[in-house]
Amino acid sequence: AQSVTQPDIHITVSEGASLELRCNYSYGATPYLFWYVQSPGQGLQLLLKYFSGDTLVQGIKGFEAEFKRSQSSFNLRKPSVHWSDAAEYFCAGNAGNMLTFGGGTRLMVKP
Amino acid sequence: NAGVTQTPKFRILKIGQSMTLQCTQDMNHNYMYWYRQDPGMGLKLIYYSVGAGITDKGEVPNGYNVSRSTTEDFPLRLELAAPSQTSVYFCASSTGGWGETQYFGPGTRLLVL
Repeated sequence: AQSVTQPDIHITVSEGASLELRCNYSYGATPYLFWYVQSPGQGLQLLLKYFSGDTLVQGIKGFEAEFKRSQSSFNLRKPSVHWSDAAEYFCAGNAGNMLTFGGGTRLMVKP
Repeated sequence: NAGVTQTPKFRILKIGQSMTLQCTQDMNHNYMYWYRQDPGMGLKLIYYSVGAGITDKGEVPNGYNVSRSTTEDFPLRLELAAPSQTSVYFCASSTGGWGETQYFGPGTRLLVL
């Protein structure tokens, strides 16, 4: 079955520290992959997406993600976290049909 | 340009009542979607539409109905509300198919008691 898994439910980092949020996928073919962010009380906003080509994808707000076929992963990274990055992050994927979302990772930022 | 708007923001229903969640987009998107979000479960697709007059079931359609009479509007109907339908509901839209960016509304929080 096609699926997207986010192993970490909660992550806490200090402001200014680097961040990596994990995402693993299970698809027969190379899927389209997305990272969305949800701020409290808001809808989801796209951070970045991967379709093909360069495996390192740049997004908004200083985020990037790397597609690794060998590890079936699409981890999200940011070199220096800001307090405003505190939110819930969702990885999503599809292989030509409906979008499948991971369970989300809630990021907390310590001052 | 308001994007995707949803009403109401919050609603409490009694078991067995019905209601319609409204969704409107002003981006002239062909595709529209309804998701529900339960804690720790990510978003699950309820129904989607690829254009006016065309709708199809998603992953969790039971207990819901939709219609799409115009490009802009995609209401979600709950008949005979049940506690299992307590959730946050998001409407989204996109220009094209599943590989396109989806734009989300702010959500409707529904509590069924």
